[in-house]
Amino acid sequence: GAVVSQHPSRVICKSGTSVKIECRSLDFQATTMFWYRQFPKQSLMLMATSNEGSKATYEQGVEKDKFLINHASLTLSTLTVTSAHPEDSSFYICSASEELGRLAKNIQYFGAGTRLSVL
Amino acid sequence: KNEVEQSPQNLTAQEGEFITINCSYSVGISALHWLQQHPGGGIVSLFMLSSGKKKHGRLIATINIQEKHSSLHITASHPRDSAVYICAVPNSGGGADGLTFGKGTHLIIQP
Repeated sequence: GAVVSQHPSRVICKSGTSVKIECRSLDFQATTMFWYRQFPKQSLMLMATSNEGSKATYEQGVEKDKFLINHASLTLSTLTVTSAHPEDSSFYICSASEELGRLAKNIQYFGAGTRLSVL
Repeated sequence: KNEVEQSPQNLTAQEGEFITINCSYSVGISALHWLQQHPGGGIVSLFMLSSGKKKHGRLIATINIQEKHSSLHITASHPRDSAVYICAVPNSGGGADGLTFGKGTHLIIQP
């Protein structure tokens, strides 16, 4: 089945540094990728929708200048947490949508997630 | 925007028991996801279904589109089934939208 690779799986960084998380679709073209965030003991929440070749669409309350999303190709989207602070410590997960045709349902495949700890 | 309710929030059962987790949503959808999240956070997609019933090993998922309700069943439960089970539906009902997630059901299967 389709696979989404997310890297790194875990990152620890100092406050003020930037962290880049990659999400790759390995055997399909993903026109749309999604980035989610999960704080401890809370639901996963959609942060932004990333479309190849265009600007990402951010959910209300998500700072687009802090969470930079780049979807430069049909198989890669990156999320960069700029000037990370301890409150950005969270579990970040991406999913990629495989377009099956105009009338078919898009299937989403999930990366394994990245646990970010900002010291 | 879709709203998702899952029940129960926590469930502890003995090995071998039949497990049922329920999910209700507010807006008609194209498909519903059942996900399994392990303690480290990693997520595994169990099912995506839009009608009827799907089975994979000891896992069974059903959905009733008219009632906007889905259930996940685990037969002959085992301690390795212990995880958080999450249902997710498209935000606005369509197929190319981001997902709204339930709060999850924390399942513990005791030996």
